[in-house]
Amino acid sequence: GQQLNQSPQSMFIQEGEDVSMNCTSSSIFNTWLWYKQDPGEGPVLLIALYKAGELTSNGRLTAQFGITRKDSFLNISASIPSDVGIYFCAGQRYTGNQFYFGTGTSLTVIP
Amino acid sequence: DGGITQSPKYLFRKEGQNVTLSCEQNLNHDAMYWYRQDPGQGLRLIYYSQIVNDFQKGDIAEGYSVSREKKESFPLTVTSAQKNPTAFYLCASSIDRDSEAFFGQGTRLTVV
Repeated sequence: GQQLNQSPQSMFIQEGEDVSMNCTSSSIFNTWLWYKQDPGEGPVLLIALYKAGELTSNGRLTAQFGITRKDSFLNISASIPSDVGIYFCAGQRYTGNQFYFGTGTSLTVIP
Repeated sequence: DGGITQSPKYLFRKEGQNVTLSCEQNLNHDAMYWYRQDPGQGLRLIYYSQIVNDFQKGDIAEGYSVSREKKESFPLTVTSAQKNPTAFYLCASSIDRDSEAFFGQGTRLTVV
């Protein structure tokens, strides 16, 4: 299957700090999605991106569709304890293709 | 309440037994999916269905079977042929194949 590399694999940050994570691939994608998964639950969609260069925000979260179409970025500003969880990227290469998921970035916020 | 319901939340089975995981959605979505999640790994696609009475294998279909007799329901059977069945199983649905998917709460299957 298609490989999506997420980094970092895990992060430990202080409450109030900003967070950045990314997702990269060797292939071009036409759609990028970002999900958050709480322990023992299903992933919840945070942001969807459909156009190269697109920058979309959802509250304290901002995601960008990379210009090369081979990467995407997620930033969280002023982190809070409930931001704890695993963040997954997902990408679709072309219409009709399946969505591939990255391996996730585990975020721990220290109060 | 619209959403995707997976049941049960936890399931224990003895090795060699088939087990069926339930997934129901009332979102009127055409497409439904089953993913497997192992610790430290991303989601891997087992099977997907774009429409009633049709389904396709994903990347790791061996040892699994599905049916799509109704639009709302997409049950997954983990057969005894699946070598490492213990995992967290996630069902999802989307309006169509190209739209973002929404997930259920998952079923954690433990085979002993």
